[in-house]
Amino acid sequence: GAVVSQHPSRVICKSGTSVKIECRSLDFQATTMFWYRQFPKKSLMLMATSNEGSKATYEQGVEKDKFLINHASLTLSTLTVTSAHPEDSSFYICSWAETGGGGTQYFGPGTRLLVL
Amino acid sequence: AQSVTQLGSHVSVSEGALVLLRCNYSSSVPPYLFWYVQYPNQGLQLLLKYTSAATLVKGINGFEAEFKKSETSFHLTKPSAHMSDAAEYFCAVSRDQAGTALIFGKGTTLSVSS
Repeated sequence: GAVVSQHPSRVICKSGTSVKIECRSLDFQATTMFWYRQFPKKSLMLMATSNEGSKATYEQGVEKDKFLINHASLTLSTLTVTSAHPEDSSFYICSWAETGGGGTQYFGPGTRLLVL
Repeated sequence: AQSVTQLGSHVSVSEGALVLLRCNYSSSVPPYLFWYVQYPNQGLQLLLKYTSAATLVKGINGFEAEFKKSETSFHLTKPSAHMSDAAEYFCAVSRDQAGTALIFGKGTTLSVSS
């Protein structure tokens, strides 16, 4: 399967600051990618769907002004958590998707964010 | 709306024993179904997927799953567990027919003892 990297793997920041998480697909180009959030012992929660060249579509309850997505190319996307608060502490995971229904998603290893 | 229920948040088996991880889904359209595995400090990796072809789907590492529409189930099995199978397993259903957005279950932790 495709290799996806995320940087940083973990980050600690102060409340009120912004944090940028980078997601790269190293050997796979895709128009569509996803950002998820994973809580301890919980499922992955879809935050947003991003198509290259378009604005991201956010899931209900996810603040688009707080979680800024920049889908720069077919292999690079960033998620910026703006004005982070302790409740934003979580595990953020990105994935790149094959086109069409039933397409496989290729996941990054995740970024652990801790907001103090 | 689509949903996934994984029965049993934690399953423990002995090495060499049968592995059975249960997944039931709810979908208003013919579903695409997936099993992903997550090893510590690694990204989710596709084990297998059902996309309306054969109902018995074979995946990597000896795993297989059977799509049973009448039971709305997609249980994951492996005849003989190996220590390296210890991981978190997620069942997922596609949110719609056209796209690739997934709805995940809460996951099942598989422990394998020697």
